[in-house]
Amino acid sequence: QVQLVQSGAEVKTPGASVKVSCKTSGYSFSAYYIHWMRQAPGQGLEWMGRINPNRAGTNSARKFQGRLTLTRDTSISTAYMELSSLTSEDTAIYYCATTHVNGDYTIDYWGQGTLITVSS
Amino acid sequence: DIQMTQSPSSLSAFVGDRVTITCRASQNIRSFLNWYQVKPGKAPRVLIFAAASLHSGVPPRFSGSGSGTDFTLTISSLQPEDLATYYCQQSYSTLWTFGQGTKVEIK
Repeated sequence: QVQLVQSGAEVKTPGASVKVSCKTSGYSFSAYYIHWMRQAPGQGLEWMGRINPNRAGTNSARKFQGRLTLTRDTSISTAYMELSSLTSEDTAIYYCATTHVNGDYTIDYWGQGTLITVSS
Repeated sequence: DIQMTQSPSSLSAFVGDRVTITCRASQNIRSFLNWYQVKPGKAPRVLIFAAASLHSGVPPRFSGSGSGTDFTLTISSLQPEDLATYYCQQSYSTLWTFGQGTKVEIK
C-alpha cells in the first residue's frame, strides 16, 4: 500500500534552516507529484509547494519563494523539503503528500507529519 | 493567488442534523475543488474531489456540489465522529490554496 514516512520532530533556533525527508513506498515514485503543506498551532492548512519527482521541476507558494527548496532522490524514493531563515512563525506540523486518483489535482495520501519548533 | 473563503468559520449542531459548509473562490476555478477533513492529532483526509466526487471509503452522508466560484460541502446526518475541521482547496491554479477552515462541533 502507499506509504509516506517523514523524518522526526526537530527544534531549531531562529535564523536556522530545517530539512524534512519524506520516504515513499508502495507506488512508482516518479509518477506522482509530492506536495508539502503545513499547519501552525491553532491555524489552518497552508500549501507550500510541490515537486515533480520525474523531472525535479518545482512550484512554490509566493510567501515561501526564496527560502523553500524542494528536492528528491529517485534512487531511494524520497523527497525533501528545506526551509531557511526560520522564525517562530514557522513553528508548525509539516506534511508531505501525494496525488493519485485525480491526476495531480487532489491529495490522496499523506505523511504522518513532522513537528518543527522554532525557539531561541 | 486565488483566495478561498469558507463560511461559517465554526458551527455547532446536533447528531442527525444536516450541516452545510460553503466555500467561495476569488475567481472561476471550474470544478477543481477538493474538501478535506482534519481531526485533532491526525493527518488530513480527502472527502470530496473534483467538487462533487466522493473519495474511496468516505461515507455517503458526505456530498459536494458547485462549480465556478461557489461550492458546498454537505453532511446529510451529522455523526459524533464528524467532529473535525473541514477545508476546501483549489487545484485550478498551479499554486494551490486552502480555505481558512470550518470547525464542526457537536451539541
